[in-house]
Amino acid sequence: DAGVIQSPRHEVTEMGQEVTLRCKPISGHDYLFWYRQTMMRGLELLIYFNNNVPIDDSGMPEDRFSAKMPNASFSTLKIQPSEPRDSAVYFCASSFGGAYYGYTFGSGTRLTVV
Amino acid sequence: GDSVTQMEGPVTLSEEAFLTINCTYTATGYPSLFWYVQYPGEGLQLLLKATKADDKGSNKGFEATYRKETTSFHLEKGSVQVSDSAVYFCALLSNDYKLSFGAGTTVTVRA
Repeated sequence: DAGVIQSPRHEVTEMGQEVTLRCKPISGHDYLFWYRQTMMRGLELLIYFNNNVPIDDSGMPEDRFSAKMPNASFSTLKIQPSEPRDSAVYFCASSFGGAYYGYTFGSGTRLTVV
Repeated sequence: GDSVTQMEGPVTLSEEAFLTINCTYTATGYPSLFWYVQYPGEGLQLLLKATKADDKGSNKGFEATYRKETTSFHLEKGSVQVSDSAVYFCALLSNDYKLSFGAGTTVTVRA
C-alpha cells in the first residue's frame, strides 16, 4: 500500500483565496483524521470521520474551514477565505477501528498564506 | 479532559548516550498510550504503544512502560544514534477514538 497520500505537499496562496487540501486514506481504513500542526499550538485535531461520516468537528477553528469525505478513498479540507494565521502544516491520518492500532499519517501539506 | 504532558525540549545528546523523555497523563479510566516520532519533513509514525498498566511497548531499541501508579509513560533508549534525531510525541487514546498528543520533544543527537 502507498500509505496515506496528501496533496499538494506545499501550497502558497494569497490572503482571501480558497484553499483545498486533499487526502487519500489507506484502503480499508474506516477512520480519517485531519490535524493541523503549528509551532505555537502543536498538533490540533480539526475533525474526524468514521465510515465517511463526520463524527467530531469541534476542533474546526472557524466557519471558514470545512471538510468532506464523499467516499472511502477521498477527503478534502477547504479554507475559504484563507488568512495568514492559517499557515501551518496540515496532516491527514487514517486508521482501522480507531486509533487503538495507531494512526498512519500522510506527509502533510505545508500551507503558507501571504 | 484527557491529556498528556511531556518534557519540554530541545534535548541534545551525544551518540551512544542514554535518552529519557518524560510523559505523564491525565485521564478517566484506563487509556491506551502511544509514542509517535516525526522525522524532518515527514508525518508522524507510530513508534510504540501500551494498552494497559504494566505493559511495556518496545521498538527500534526504544522502550516505554505504562505506569498506572505514577500515570506515566516515559520513553527510553539506552544508546542513541544520529538517526534518532527527530521530534517525539506522547499520545493518549480517549474513549472516543481520537488521539490527544503532547507538545512534542525535539531530540538532536550529535556524532
